[in-house]
Amino acid sequence: EDQVTQSPEALRLQEGESSSLNCSYTVSGLRGLFWYRQDPGKGPEFLFTLYSAGEEKEKERLKATLTKKESFLHITAPKPEDSATYLCAVRGFNQAGTALIFGKGTTLSVSS
Amino acid sequence: AAGVIQSPRHLIKEKRETATLKCYPIPRHDTVYWYQQGPGQDPQFLISFYEKMQSDKGSIPDRFSAQQFSDYHSELNMSSLELGDSALYFCASSPDRESLSGQYFGPGTRLTVT
Repeated sequence: EDQVTQSPEALRLQEGESSSLNCSYTVSGLRGLFWYRQDPGKGPEFLFTLYSAGEEKEKERLKATLTKKESFLHITAPKPEDSATYLCAVRGFNQAGTALIFGKGTTLSVSS
Repeated sequence: AAGVIQSPRHLIKEKRETATLKCYPIPRHDTVYWYQQGPGQDPQFLISFYEKMQSDKGSIPDRFSAQQFSDYHSELNMSSLELGDSALYFCASSPDRESLSGQYFGPGTRLTVT
């Protein structure tokens, strides 16, 4: 069964303190790993799609990387406005064709 | 840039009532997905449509039905509402069936069943 596990569940950082969020996945044939940001009461905001091991993508202070078993979302010098829940999702060959299977998310709090 | 539009944003219903949620995808997006997110939970896939035909089905209760219309907007119909149906319902759209460019989520409809 396809599964996504994110760690840690919650992360508190000081402004400027870089860190990484982890997304471990088990899927029979990865057809894409997705990172989203979600603010309370709002819809997930698409950040990145990664398809193959070794792939990296960057956007402002965020950088996503992918290996065969996990993905990391690196946050460099975070600011308070980066505070949100970061969701990881995968598509594999087992699940309903185009649906995303989400992890529980990592809630990031950045204080100034 | 245009985003996914959902209406209503908030809805309060009583048990056993019906509800209809609407979703207007981003222009030129032909694929629509519905997700349910309970409090403190991750989004759970319900159903998707591609070119007005049902594409995939997830954990959607038999009490729920959905369709995509000729203008690509979609509606999620929920009947015999239960307290456990209280959740955020998100619609997402994609410009391609394989979601290669990602799925873009709307702001959600918060349904409260009392």
